[in-house]
Formats: sequence, C-alpha cells, structure tokens
Amino acid sequence: ETAVFQTPNYHVTQVGNEVSFNCKQTLGHDTMYWYKQDSKKLLKIMFSYNNKQLIVNETVPRRFSPQSSDKAHLNLRIKSVEPEDSAVYLCASSHRGPQDTQYFGPGTRLLVL
Amino acid sequence: GDSVTQKQGQVTLSEDDFLFINCTYSTTTYPTLLWYVQYPGQGPQLLLKVTTANNKGISRGFEATYDKGTTSFHLQKASVQESDSAVYFCALVGYNYAQGLTFGLGTRVSVFP
Repeated sequence: ETAVFQTPNYHVTQVGNEVSFNCKQTLGHDTMYWYKQDSKKLLKIMFSYNNKQLIVNETVPRRFSPQSSDKAHLNLRIKSVEPEDSAVYLCASSHRGPQDTQYFGPGTRLLVL
Repeated sequence: GDSVTQKQGQVTLSEDDFLFINCTYSTTTYPTLLWYVQYPGQGPQLLLKVTTANNKGISRGFEATYDKGTTSFHLQKASVQESDSAVYFCALVGYNYAQGLTFGLGTRVSVFP
C-alpha cells in the first residue's frame, strides 16, 4: 500500500532548465528524505529533513534544493539541470530518524537531454 | 564513514533453487543491517532488519543474519519463486541524519520457471 506519493512519474527536460518534483507522505512521519538512484541502481542520500531542520549530504551540488511546506511534504528543486542529473529520485519518510524504517515512494525518473 | 560492499551484481536461478546474497559492512557504531527489495517501477521496500549479531530475521520465507566477527551479513531463501525476481539491496543504518541509509550496489535476482 503506497503511503509515500511522488509526482511526476517521469520528466524529460533540457540542460539548463529548472525542474521541481513533489513528495507527500500520509504516514504522519517526522522525517523525510531524498535519495538519488543512478543508472547502475546505486542509491545515495541527498537530504534529510526533520522538524524544519535540513541536513544536506556534502556531495550534493548546490543547484539542488529541497522545499518543505509542512512535515508531510518535501519537494525537490533542481535549478539548472545537467546531463549527470539524469536518474531516479526517490523520496522516503521515517517515523523519527534514520534508525526507524524508511518507506519509499515509487520515484521520479528524470531524463536530461 | 559507514560503507557497505555488495559484490554480486546479478544472480540467475530456477524456481525452487536456493538463494544466497552476501554483503560486508564497515561502521564505527553498533550496526543495524537491513535488506530492501525493489521491484520494477517501485521504490525499495524493507524486507528484513537485523539488529543483533547471530540473531535471525525472517520475513516472507527470507532469512537474514549478520556475523560481527567477519562484518558480513547475508540474505537467503530456501526455495525461490518467479515472483522473487527483483533487485535486493543490503543497507546499513546511519545514526545521524546526514547519513540516512548506506546502500550496497544491489543484486539483481532473476528467477525462471
């Protein structure tokens, strides 16, 4: 049963454009995350967001920024996409922190031409 | 920092075969080790969590244990079915928000009738 929702499913854009992806969780969780899954299926944490506190993985380029209106929503904005941004972006949530089970959404696949 | 090594990129089996996937880990904290499964078009979903060395986690016919001495953990199933075809990830729980989950590279399991 899906409780972490992501839109769109798929997005194609050109280099330099701005894109934004949405994520909503209906689990009442306190922490949300964004992960990037590359073409080889490697999953890496990008951001964690808990109680208005944003934790950024140091390897994430500055053109990426998460945006949250409340604890149920964590969107991802990419200011000026580059070809290496082509990937699947997965949103997840957990009850409190990363030691609690993380529930993933179905992902947004981004293709940058 | 934490790291997980998952060397088996692909495993091909016939129905009723035995499945065994192994990972090694490195962490400075007391580990919580996870197995996630990802079906096509979906996000990863938690399959098993193991928090104590040599204790067995069991779910949906899968078993997982970890060995603190060899810093390895494995997933096994006695008799796979075609519906078990998926990508299986081992993961290590980070104890701070910046780490999130540290994933292995994933093992694509294909089961043929």
